[in-house]
Amino acid sequence: ETGVTQTPRHLVMGMTNKKSLKCEQHLGHNAMYWYKQSAKKPLELMFVYNFKEQTENNSVPSRFSPECPNSSHLFLHLHTLQPEDSALYLCASSQVGQGSYEQYFGPGTRLTVT
Amino acid sequence: DAKTTQPTSMDCAEGRAANLPCNHSTISGNEYVYWYRQIHSQGPQYIIHGLKNNETNEMASLIITEDRKSSTLILPHATLRDTAVYYCIVRVEAGGTSYGKLTFGQGTILTVHP
Repeated sequence: ETGVTQTPRHLVMGMTNKKSLKCEQHLGHNAMYWYKQSAKKPLELMFVYNFKEQTENNSVPSRFSPECPNSSHLFLHLHTLQPEDSALYLCASSQVGQGSYEQYFGPGTRLTVT
Repeated sequence: DAKTTQPTSMDCAEGRAANLPCNHSTISGNEYVYWYRQIHSQGPQYIIHGLKNNETNEMASLIITEDRKSSTLILPHATLRDTAVYYCIVRVEAGGTSYGKLTFGQGTILTVHP
């Protein structure tokens, strides 16, 4: 595998379910990101992990819980979601300290909350 | 961060050059211009970035005006696969432990037609 991978690619879950999204980067980067993209809206940054430490949480509801066990893996744990949380969830990675904002994105997980 | 203004949509004939403008009249001297694109339902893809000199890579060219208040992304020979949303983003250089936060706007929907 190369680049940034995300699993699953599609997920349908009920409002009472608990599920997790997984992201893995094979680029040797040290920063990872979760973005949300709702229909007809710009990408919204949710969380940032820099050197495995969470450095940003953009007022994301607690029903979204990120986890970064190492610099290559990032999870987004989901529980008691609402239908309005249906969106494309994108993971990205970058190399901090290289003077560039070049982020590499995964293909995303299309989440539908019923 | 400096705000950017892009046209909502543009059309281009296949094989012709696609010129996508971006206004960033409040850009500061240490802010770079970045371009990303997002093909439908995929993750954004980095294209190119620059500070003040024109830049070219295998994907595109970036022309930045002398006063740096605007720029143009040029796809020299557009193909149907270049149909996407193109985002122009302005940010200061990432350095040290700065992870490089990107703020995406609405972008320009480029449609390449036969």
